[in-house]
Amino acid sequence: GDSVTQMEGPVTLSEEAFLTINCTYTATGYPSLFWYVQYPGEGLQLLLKATKADDKGSNKGFEATYRKETTSFHLEKGSVQVSDSAVYFCALILDNDMRFGAGTRLTVKP
Amino acid sequence: GAVVSQHPSRVICKSGTSVKIECRSLDFQATTMFWYRQFPKQSLMLMATSNEGSKATYEQGVEKDKFLINHASLTLSTLTVTSAHPEDSSFYICSAKQGAHGYTFGSGTRLTVV
Repeated sequence: GDSVTQMEGPVTLSEEAFLTINCTYTATGYPSLFWYVQYPGEGLQLLLKATKADDKGSNKGFEATYRKETTSFHLEKGSVQVSDSAVYFCALILDNDMRFGAGTRLTVKP
Repeated sequence: GAVVSQHPSRVICKSGTSVKIECRSLDFQATTMFWYRQFPKQSLMLMATSNEGSKATYEQGVEKDKFLINHASLTLSTLTVTSAHPEDSSFYICSAKQGAHGYTFGSGTRLTVV
């Protein structure tokens, strides 16, 4: 079945470091891909999305490019801040079916 | 933007009682809503897909008689945990589908069964 495999955490970085969180997917068709963020004590929030191959989603300095050839949607940010500390979930939607990765906890230290 | 209100945010109940969680789309109509459960340090698990005016579709392994879902209107879906037990303690999140690719999540409900 469709699934999402996400880089295991936790990830700890210093402020202004470069962030990459890997995400790959398995799907029988062409899904839409998403990154969600969950801040402590809150629900999920959509961070960015891409609906077709080669699309790049971006928001708040985060970027991810839909790579069909590698079935990947890696999340990147050039310079993280303490306020980026959260759990990040990669997800796909295909035929009204949504699947999440296991989540990656990011801690950014000053 | 689209807003989904989930209520209550936290609830503590006694073992054997039932708890109802509401998920409302405030400024759009949602024919489809989803209910997720999040276990500690684990990802969200899809429990069921709720379609307005019809029976919910439950994922394999989810007890439909224990987790009652009602999607009676285009803006409201409810999840009732019946005869709750401590192992039902978890974080439950709903999401509502808006348009082709828009999904908005509620803020979640932390259920503690004592």
